Amino acid sequence: DQQVKQNSPSLSVQEGRISILNCDYTNSMFDYFLWYKKYPAEGPTFLISISSIKDKNEDGRFTVFLNKSAKHLSLHIVPSQPGDSAVYFCAASLFGNAGNMLTFGGGTRLMVKP
Amino acid sequence: DGGITQSPKYLFRKEGQNVTLSCEQNLNHDAMYWYRQDPGQGLRLIYYSQIVNDFQKGDIAEGYSVSREKKESFPLTVTSAQKNPTAFYLCASSIGDRGSQPQHFGDGTRLSIL
Repeated sequence: DQQVKQNSPSLSVQEGRISILNCDYTNSMFDYFLWYKKYPAEGPTFLISISSIKDKNEDGRFTVFLNKSAKHLSLHIVPSQPGDSAVYFCAASLFGNAGNMLTFGGGTRLMVKP
Repeated sequence: DGGITQSPKYLFRKEGQNVTLSCEQNLNHDAMYWYRQDPGQGLRLIYYSQIVNDFQKGDIAEGYSVSREKKESFPLTVTSAQKNPTAFYLCASSIGDRGSQPQHFGDGTRLSIL
């Protein structure tokens, strides 16, 4: 049973417009949510995170929104640039007796057209 | 520069053969992780280690083994018991084991069966 889901496998956006990537989760015990960006044949790169006690975190062109009642988070990229084209993974952290465990969604491929 | 180094980038395994994937980090991070990524899917946790000489199984540990004899190194052995080893393997590390301390990834090793 997938605890973290990204229901859109791909998204295409025009350069300069807003990109919105969505992520849903089922476990209300997750305490942190993270977004990673991945280019082909490379490891994921950390982008931005948000604590479960907040509803918004912003870093430059990237903003993450968290709606705990809906168990939904989204990543907004404004303005989108061709270099943003990559696969984006959301991940949720659950701190338990065994430390930091990350659960990843399946990823969304973003294509930003010039 | 500090970072995580995985080697080799590509690896081929014969039937019945064990192979070992290397992961080295010079970030002075305590925690290290191994993930597997299959095409079109998210990352799944194989093993993780919070400190030297200690490690725990993740969600898909069967057919894999690890060791953590040094803080900098966390090699993964894919044994012959792993019947479907073809995948992209990612190593990660984090400074601690809290969700607020994001995991940083190497560039991965792609393992294929001959």
